[in-house]
Amino acid sequence: QKEVEQDPGPLSVPEGAIVSLNCTYSNSAFQYFMWYRQYSRKGPELLMYTYSSGNKEDGRFTAQVDKSSKYISLFIRDSQPSDSATYLCAMGGYSSASKIIFGSGTRLSIRP
Amino acid sequence: NAGVTQTPKFQVLKTGQSMTLQCAQDMNHEYMSWYRQDPGMGLRLIHYSVGAGITDQGEVPNGYNVSRSTTEDFPLRLLSAAPSQTSVYFCASSDRALHSGNTIYFGEGSWLTVV
Repeated sequence: QKEVEQDPGPLSVPEGAIVSLNCTYSNSAFQYFMWYRQYSRKGPELLMYTYSSGNKEDGRFTAQVDKSSKYISLFIRDSQPSDSATYLCAMGGYSSASKIIFGSGTRLSIRP
Repeated sequence: NAGVTQTPKFQVLKTGQSMTLQCAQDMNHEYMSWYRQDPGMGLRLIHYSVGAGITDQGEVPNGYNVSRSTTEDFPLRLLSAAPSQTSVYFCASSDRALHSGNTIYFGEGSWLTVV
């Protein structure tokens, strides 16, 4: 079983829709939760970062962490064609021995 | 500000050949790392470095070597290329430890095909 599971999609929604992207994880030591966005033929870039449980909002994006369920989500409101990309969740622990673990990514397409 | 620069962008190798992927960052970051990205596998850590002269293995280090002689540069060497090393390679840097929630800055990727 992978430490981080993410549905690869692809997910296709019409412009303006609310998008929900999710990851589950098995390691209860994870404390840092991130979402990276990766456009085609480009490197990933940090989109959202959350420490421990709770919600974080940044414009049209909201990240949620539920540590009791080992489940994280990214919501995109009023989705735009420019949001079409692959979204990777990533998680890290608190010890120097741990590393950031990435999900496999969900490919998202926003139809105009 | 260039950020993380990696070369080459595309490369085709024959089985058994060796090559070096170059990576440089201009942000004075201590931490640098190499990942490979394969379909359905996500980003997997190959090697990382916490500073000049210090390197360590990641999740999938076999077949790869690294060195860190300067803060700026972190080359990845493929010793004897195998078809299983066909992948997209990303160099990354960050100013704090990999395990914490700091931003990891990625290069644009190197597409490597081994035939």
